[in-house]
Amino acid sequence: ETGVTQTPRHLVMGMTNKKSLKCEQHLGHNAMYWYKQSAKKPLELMFVYNFKEQTENNSVPSRFSPECPNSSHLFLHLHTLQPEDSALYLCASSQGTSGRQETQYFGPGTRLLVL
Amino acid sequence: GDSVTQMEGPVTLSEEAFLTINCTYTATGYPSLFWYVQYPGEGLQLLLKATKADDKGSNKGFEATYRKETTSFHLEKGSVQVSDSAVYFCALSDMNSNSGYALNFGKGTSLLVTP
Repeated sequence: ETGVTQTPRHLVMGMTNKKSLKCEQHLGHNAMYWYKQSAKKPLELMFVYNFKEQTENNSVPSRFSPECPNSSHLFLHLHTLQPEDSALYLCASSQGTSGRQETQYFGPGTRLLVL
Repeated sequence: GDSVTQMEGPVTLSEEAFLTINCTYTATGYPSLFWYVQYPGEGLQLLLKATKADDKGSNKGFEATYRKETTSFHLEKGSVQVSDSAVYFCALSDMNSNSGYALNFGKGTSLLVTP
């Protein structure tokens, strides 16, 4: 049990659908992250929120829209995705105050398939 | 920019064999270094970390030493078990002007241990 949960665990959607991924952390952390994990590629950092403020948007297409209503919840809203967006989407959290020594805690991920 | 390079897998070993997974990095600052492990169907978990030169991180029989002179953080274990089969990610954390201390991952090395 890592303290970071993600729902749904699996998602199949068409290119015209709108869906949302949810992440919740029970660790009292202040920073939350979205990563994309594709086969044969390093994990790609997508978004970072620190104390509910977005501090990073790593050149992510606008069809991905993050939302962080409070420090425990993070959403990734999806619309008009492309097949190449199929991947494992990982959420992580960290204390947000410990600098470069900080450990990030990951959820199990949402496996997304875009048809 | 910062980057992490780790050996390509998959690595296949017999139980009780010695394991080394190489990791080298480039960084503009003075990063912290991490090894994360991902078991099948799960998210990433921190395996060990080191925050300054010559530090040795260790956990579950795994070790890695922060070598600033060779910019390396190789992962070792003296006697692997079948349960160690997983994907191992080397990562660094350094100051990023946009996102504070974001993690920068290698591509991952898949390890399969056979009985």
